[in-house]
Amino acid sequence: QSALSQPASVSGSPGQSITISCTGTRSDIGDYNLVSWYQQHPGKAPKLLIYGVGGRPSGISNRFSGSKSGTTASLTISGLQADDEAVYYCSSYTARSPVVLFGGGTTLTVL
Amino acid sequence: EVQLVESGGDLVQRGGSLRLSCAASGFTFSTYAMNWVRQAPGKGLEWISYISGTSGTINYADSVKGRFTVSRDNAKNSLYLQMGSLSAEDTALYYCARDNNVWSFDFWGHGTLVTVSS
Repeated sequence: QSALSQPASVSGSPGQSITISCTGTRSDIGDYNLVSWYQQHPGKAPKLLIYGVGGRPSGISNRFSGSKSGTTASLTISGLQADDEAVYYCSSYTARSPVVLFGGGTTLTVL
Repeated sequence: EVQLVESGGDLVQRGGSLRLSCAASGFTFSTYAMNWVRQAPGKGLEWISYISGTSGTINYADSVKGRFTVSRDNAKNSLYLQMGSLSAEDTALYYCARDNNVWSFDFWGHGTLVTVSS
């Protein structure tokens, strides 16, 4: 099964908001509210930002929010900061194999 | 504090085998499912295996099915990945990650590097 589809890159200026999309199918994002988002800085392990489409783990800023419409999930980052510059991955549970799909990753550049 | 520490990564020849370990601390290991996720150099994340807290449910990505075996020892708070028939495509940084029971990975180790030489 193909990976989820994300834009390769997005950019924004400090203080602005950006949205990263993650497109799947009815077999994954469409049928399950089990979408997660991760942030990965260079040389570091991924960090969970969003789970269950819109849930935020303890300690994650409310500048990060998630949503879903049909087969597309979205991560919105508001009030962009320099430290938000990283690669962002979405993932979704799927009843097919593999059980968890990741997106290809989106590089966020803060101008 | 939750900690996951992977070990066992190494340079191995094509066709060889390797066993990775992940030592967990700071939480009740037996009550959490665990996963292995890998990342090839300069590439994205790839989920490869899941094991439930009791080892009753195990899943693999097609890319490793039949070659890799995941296991855990709850008495030792440890997760394992036995890797066999390795190829260059298995070269990656291998992470263990805790599953928060909604198919999200809330804690990750620092990763252990597996390099398969041809």
